[in-house]
Formats: sequence, structure tokens, C-alpha cells
Amino acid sequence: DAGVTQSPTHLIKTRGQQVTLRCSPKSGHDTVSWYQQALGQGPQFIFQYYEEEERQRGNFPDRFSGHQFPNYSSELNVNALLLGDSALYLCASSSIDRDDTEAFFGQGTRLTVV
Amino acid sequence: SQQGEEDPQALSIQEGENATMNCSYKTSINNLQWYRQNSGRGLVHLILIRSNEREKHSGRLRVTLDTSKKSSSLLITASRAADTASYFCATPGAGNTGKLIFGQGTTLQVKP
Repeated sequence: DAGVTQSPTHLIKTRGQQVTLRCSPKSGHDTVSWYQQALGQGPQFIFQYYEEEERQRGNFPDRFSGHQFPNYSSELNVNALLLGDSALYLCASSSIDRDDTEAFFGQGTRLTVV
Repeated sequence: SQQGEEDPQALSIQEGENATMNCSYKTSINNLQWYRQNSGRGLVHLILIRSNEREKHSGRLRVTLDTSKKSSSLLITASRAADTASYFCATPGAGNTGKLIFGQGTTLQVKP
């Protein structure tokens, strides 16, 4: 049973460019959340997708957008990259049917903006 | 806003010793989760404890939850060098909509 998979694992982009990160949730999960983790910090919630719609959003600018596909996989897009967007981006999957928020994370995508 | 805060920020012990990490949170929760992260890689889910549970075990891990004090602790017994990692507690955001709020974590170093 595959866990949460993310691609790519590492990425280097130039300031001003756009980037797309991808996530496939754990089998049986229908909800995908994205987090940004700066060096030495805990993960910060970006947004969550369920039934192909953004369900909840954290305190991130509109440059951060996402998408969920019918197979529950998800993309995170960041436009007009800033140096401060350099971070580890984590995808977490969970099941909406559970009354708790047990979430399982992928290995992350390390984004470096130069 | 920060919900969970781990204490201590860093912990260094010898192999075989026990490691205890604490987490405090601010609002009422229905569950709390602990995660491990090795060298900036993904988060590994360790354990979830519900608000009606006071203690939970998983292998060498023991988690307690005190909802009256809004605190939780993670105990790793008989630590191994492979336990060297950062440990985070996470609590649900308002409305229990699936958002998790993390603290800054405790960095544990286990010396062989």
C-alpha cells in the first residue's frame, strides 16, 4: 500500500518564476493538505482540498494556488516566486470520513529559489 | 498563530536513556498527534491520542494527554541512535476541519 508520494524531491527555481508541485495521497484518502516548512520551523498550513475544491486556507497570499483531481491527487502552484518561498513543501493526506484529523505526510519537495 | 509549543527545543541524551518531550496548546482539542522528522525529510506519523484518552502506548513510545493543563508528553524509552530526529506535536485547527497546527518541535540527539 503506497503512502503519500510527492514529486519532485528537489527543485531549484529563479525568483519570479512559477513552480508546480505534485502529490498523490495514501490509498483510501480523499483529502489533501499542503504545508510549508521553513528551516528550523514547524510546518505551516497552506490549504486543503476535498472533492476538488479548496476547503480551508491558511495565511498565504494568492500566489499560492492548488488543484485536486478526480483521483484525489493534488498540485500546489506558486507564482512569482520570492526568495522567501524557499522551504520544504509537505503534502498530507487524510480521510474526510474520520472524525479526527489523522494525517499522513509525504517526503516533501525541497524548493530553493535563487 | 502557534497552537502547540514543544519543550525543550533541543535534547541530547545517551543511547539507552529515556527522552521526554512536552507539548502545550492553547485551545480545546479533540485529539493531538505526534510526528517525527528526520533531517528535514517528511513527517512520520507516530501516534494520535484522543481527548478522552489519558495515555497511549506504541512500542517504545508513551504519550500522555492532560486536557485540564492543555499539555501532552511524548516519552521514548530505551532510546537508540536512530531516534535522532525532530519531534512535533500537532493539534487540529478551529472547527476540526482537518488543518493541523504545529509547534516548532524538539530536536532530539541520541549519542551512541
